Amino acid sequence: GDSVTQMEGPVTLSEEAFLTINCTYTATGYPSLFWYVQYPGEGLQLLLKATKADDKGSNKGFEATYRKETTSFHLEKGSVQVSDSAVYFCALRNNFNKFYFGSGTKLNVKP
Amino acid sequence: DAGVIQSPRHEVTEMGQEVTLRCKPISGHDYLFWYRQTMMRGLELLIYFNNNVPIDDSGMPEDRFSAKMPNASFSTLKIQPSEPRDSAVYFCASRRDRGLTNEKLFFGSGTQLSVL
Repeated sequence: GDSVTQMEGPVTLSEEAFLTINCTYTATGYPSLFWYVQYPGEGLQLLLKATKADDKGSNKGFEATYRKETTSFHLEKGSVQVSDSAVYFCALRNNFNKFYFGSGTKLNVKP
Repeated sequence: DAGVIQSPRHEVTEMGQEVTLRCKPISGHDYLFWYRQTMMRGLELLIYFNNNVPIDDSGMPEDRFSAKMPNASFSTLKIQPSEPRDSAVYFCASRRDRGLTNEKLFFGSGTQLSVL
């Protein structure tokens, strides 16, 4: 079945460090791919998305490129801030309108 | 828009009691989803509705769980009887089927359920 696998956390970085959170997926057809972010005590919020191969989603300095050949959608940011500390979820929407989420990766950014 | 509204924010109950979680989706949204989040299993889809009709309930753990959507502005998730292993954060989410944001899920703030 369709699924999303992302790197386990927590990931701890110093402020201004480079961030990569790996995400790979399994899906039939042509899914749309997403990154959601969850701040403490809140629900998930859409961070960025890509709907077809080679698309790059970007928002708030975060980027991810839809790589069909490697079935990946890795999240990157060049310089993280303390305010980026949160849990990040990779997700896909398949051709049947079902969303599948990864297990989440907690990011801790230290000043 | 007020966003997706869930109630209560926190629920503490004893094993065996009935628990009802409530959700008001964003007005005009066609899809409503119920998710459960735990440390062990991450975010799991329990059930989703399209135009108030349950489409896929394959994620509902067992018969103790039931969900309804009597109209476009209200849904409930009921657990009867509740068990300690049901302790989790339950999220409701909705989305539109049309328009520029039709792929975006909007989440509520969740209900933190603790079954003692």
